[in-house]
Amino acid sequence: DTGVSQNPRHKITKRGQNVTFRCDPISEHNRLYWYRQTLGQGPEFLTYFQNEAQLEKSRLLSDRFSAERPKGSFSTLEIQRTEQGDSAMYLCASRTLDTSYNEQFFGPGTRLTVL
Amino acid sequence: AQSVTQPDIHITVSEGASLELRCNYSYGATPYLFWYVQSPGQGLQLLLKYFSGDTLVQGIKGFEAEFKRSQSSFNLRKPSVHWSDAAEYFCAVGANFGNEKLTFGTGTRLTIIP
Repeated sequence: DTGVSQNPRHKITKRGQNVTFRCDPISEHNRLYWYRQTLGQGPEFLTYFQNEAQLEKSRLLSDRFSAERPKGSFSTLEIQRTEQGDSAMYLCASRTLDTSYNEQFFGPGTRLTVL
Repeated sequence: AQSVTQPDIHITVSEGASLELRCNYSYGATPYLFWYVQSPGQGLQLLLKYFSGDTLVQGIKGFEAEFKRSQSSFNLRKPSVHWSDAAEYFCAVGANFGNEKLTFGTGTRLTIIP
């Protein structure tokens, strides 16, 4: 399977704990995006990378959130001192810049529950 | 700023009936428009996309959508729904420059009754 993969698929944690999610994009995809989806809402943009450079962060991404893409391949999203409001589905998407079409391919998501 | 409105939160249709899901967008230039489908607990699957050219676009699973610039709409249609079409449907708009982030609507949940 050469699609976008995310791990873990589910994470339950207690408030105040740190969590880290991983996203493996489609091979050779230059851009990688993180979105957050809360219950009953559409996904909202968090941040994106072009290769290893993080080029933009949404205002939704508080100081407790940090994302990396160290070698321009996989990416991690870490949430420190989790709060109940962080409970959501975290989606990763990737795309190639080889076409002018802004077609993003999404992974299955990581569902975070903060107790 | 770009935005998407999906006015119908929940739609119920009978299996075999036709379907239309509404989407209105706000964007300052020619948008890239998308419809995604999400099954419970799953990620997003692209149904179809519009970039330019023919305003009626065909997608997977028998879906189509029509771009109407004058109405700022991109409604999704299917002539005959199947029970497996039950899911959440999201319309999204994206730029063709800059960060190209997608802005999604709040989604329409589709229920199919036998």
